[in-house]
Amino acid sequence: GNSVTQMEGPVTLSEEAFLTINCTYTATGYPSLFWYVQYPGEGLQLLLKATKADDKGSNKGFEATYRKETTSFHLEKGSVQVSDSAVYFCALSDQGGATNKLIFGTGTLLAVQP
Amino acid sequence: DTAVSQTPKYLVTQMGNDKSIKCEQNLGHDTMYWYKQDSKKFLKIMFSYNNKELIINETVPNRFSPKSPDKAHLNLHINSLELGDSAVYFCASRTMTGGADTQYFGPGTRLTVL
Repeated sequence: GNSVTQMEGPVTLSEEAFLTINCTYTATGYPSLFWYVQYPGEGLQLLLKATKADDKGSNKGFEATYRKETTSFHLEKGSVQVSDSAVYFCALSDQGGATNKLIFGTGTLLAVQP
Repeated sequence: DTAVSQTPKYLVTQMGNDKSIKCEQNLGHDTMYWYKQDSKKFLKIMFSYNNKELIINETVPNRFSPKSPDKAHLNLHINSLELGDSAVYFCASRTMTGGADTQYFGPGTRLTVL
């Protein structure tokens, strides 16, 4: 079945460091890909998305490119801030139509130190 | 304006009790979901409803019974609560507009079974 694999955390960085969180997927067909963020004590927020190969999703300085050849959707940010500390989830939409569901990776905890 | 809301935010109860969690979305979406997040932050789908009809049931014990009185509401009733039911439960609703199949999450309900 379809699945998402994320790099294990926690990832600890200093403020203004470069961030990469790796995400690879296994899927039949052409799923949409997502990054969600969960700040401490809060729910999930959609961070960015991409719907087809070579699409780049971006938001709040974060970017991810849908790479079909490597089945990857790595999350990057050029300069992280303390306020970016959160758990980041990579996800794919399982299939189109009424039975669509999101399949999540295990989440990666990012801790940014001042 | 709250897009997807859940009540209560926290729920502490004894084993064997019956409890309900409510979810409402004011986004006009047709499809709603319940996800469970365990203590390791892993997220897994439980149920999905489309226009008040159950379309996904991911082998959840039948102690869990979702109910959708209308397409803006999806409630979750849990009978005979067990310790292992302790988790954060997220409601989500789904749109297909803008060319991407996207789900929006509520703030979560933290259930603790003692």
